[in-house]
Amino acid sequence: EVQLVESGGGLEQPGSSLKLSCVVSGITFSGYNMHWVRQAPKKGLEWIALIYYDSSNKYYADSVRGRFTISRDNSKNTLYLEMNSLRSEDTAMYYCALGYKGIAFFAHWGQGTLVTVSS
Amino acid sequence: DVQMTQSPSNLPASPGESVSINCKASKSISKYLAWYQQKPGKPNKLLIYSGSTLQSGTPSRFSGSGSGTDFTLTIRNLEPEDFGLYYCQQHNEYPPTFGSGTKLEIK
Repeated sequence: EVQLVESGGGLEQPGSSLKLSCVVSGITFSGYNMHWVRQAPKKGLEWIALIYYDSSNKYYADSVRGRFTISRDNSKNTLYLEMNSLRSEDTAMYYCALGYKGIAFFAHWGQGTLVTVSS
Repeated sequence: DVQMTQSPSNLPASPGESVSINCKASKSISKYLAWYQQKPGKPNKLLIYSGSTLQSGTPSRFSGSGSGTDFTLTIRNLEPEDFGLYYCQQHNEYPPTFGSGTKLEIK
């Protein structure tokens, strides 16, 4: 069974930094592209970042480009999202999601980790 | 970015009924539309991709149709576990974009 488990969320001050993790099991992690998708409270889903299976390419939504960095460690089956210069509008549930090479839908999701940015 | 307009936002229905959810893209996305189910405390579930291809494990009472800009998710003979939130998502180009969601609720 494929499982994705996010961690690292919490209550943060505006302007601070946070690093999220996502551990993947039940699948050959190094063979799949990985994404982060977020959902603000009572809002819809927003894709924010993609990293290729071999870290050769990374793509970001305009809303986070320059502030967030996606990375992965295939030896640890772990995906990361480093979040800098946090804003109140970054408050959301953050999901990691697994995708297939060359295809932009999300085959498996984690249950999410909540990030709240507030003073 | 491709804007996805989903309707209705709320859909009351009873077990055993059939329902349809619509999704309209701001430009042609060919056949590349996915549907997801979201339920509290559970990972989001991919139901359908490429417009009409059922993901492994998706019950056959779910079906997807459409191409270009207009798509429909149909659920026949609703089961109690089908109630929840549904989202469409275009996977034709980056950035992937989602509809605003449809809450399928028990009437």
